[in-house]
Amino acid sequence: EDQVTQSPEALRLQEGESSSLNCSYTVSGLRGLFWYRQDPGKGPEFLFTLYSAGEEKEKERLKATLTKKESFLHITAPKPEDSATYLCAVLSGGSNYKLTFGKGTLLTVNP
Amino acid sequence: DAGVIQSPRHEVTEMGQEVTLRCKPISGHDYLFWYRQTMMRGLELLIYFNNNVPIDDSGMPEDRFSAKMPNASFSTLKIQPSEPRDSAVYFCASRRDRATGNTIYFGEGSWLTVV
Repeated sequence: EDQVTQSPEALRLQEGESSSLNCSYTVSGLRGLFWYRQDPGKGPEFLFTLYSAGEEKEKERLKATLTKKESFLHITAPKPEDSATYLCAVLSGGSNYKLTFGKGTLLTVNP
Repeated sequence: DAGVIQSPRHEVTEMGQEVTLRCKPISGHDYLFWYRQTMMRGLELLIYFNNNVPIDDSGMPEDRFSAKMPNASFSTLKIQPSEPRDSAVYFCASRRDRATGNTIYFGEGSWLTVV
């Protein structure tokens, strides 16, 4: 069974204080690892897809990286508007089109 | 391009009543998914459709839950009878055929409270 574990559960940063969120996974044949952002009262919003170890993608202050066992979401010089829950999900070769999600990291950036 | 549209956004109902949640996927998307989100269990896949046909309903918790997709632009998730433990946020999501990408796009969710 595919498993996704995100850490920490919650992270509080000061504006400008860079950090990283972790997503570790166990899957049978990774077909893709996805990062989503979820604001309160909203649906998950797609950020990145990573397909193979060593791949990196960037968007504004966010950079996602992937190894064979985990992914990191690096946040550089965060701003209060980056506050949200960040969700990681995997798509494996044995699950057709079923995404397995972690429980997320709640990020709070204080001004 | 309009995103995934869900209705109602919020519903409060009494235990035992029937609840129907509705979804309009993004035009041109071949796959439609119903997810449920709770604090305890996070996001869980309930059922998904490909070209209007249910493919995997192994996540549907009980026979009280049913889903239909009568055409490419509409799907329903029905709970009958509803119970307090069904209180959650229900998300509909859609994506194109695998050949054109794996990204799943979510609606804003239907917040269900059963009292």
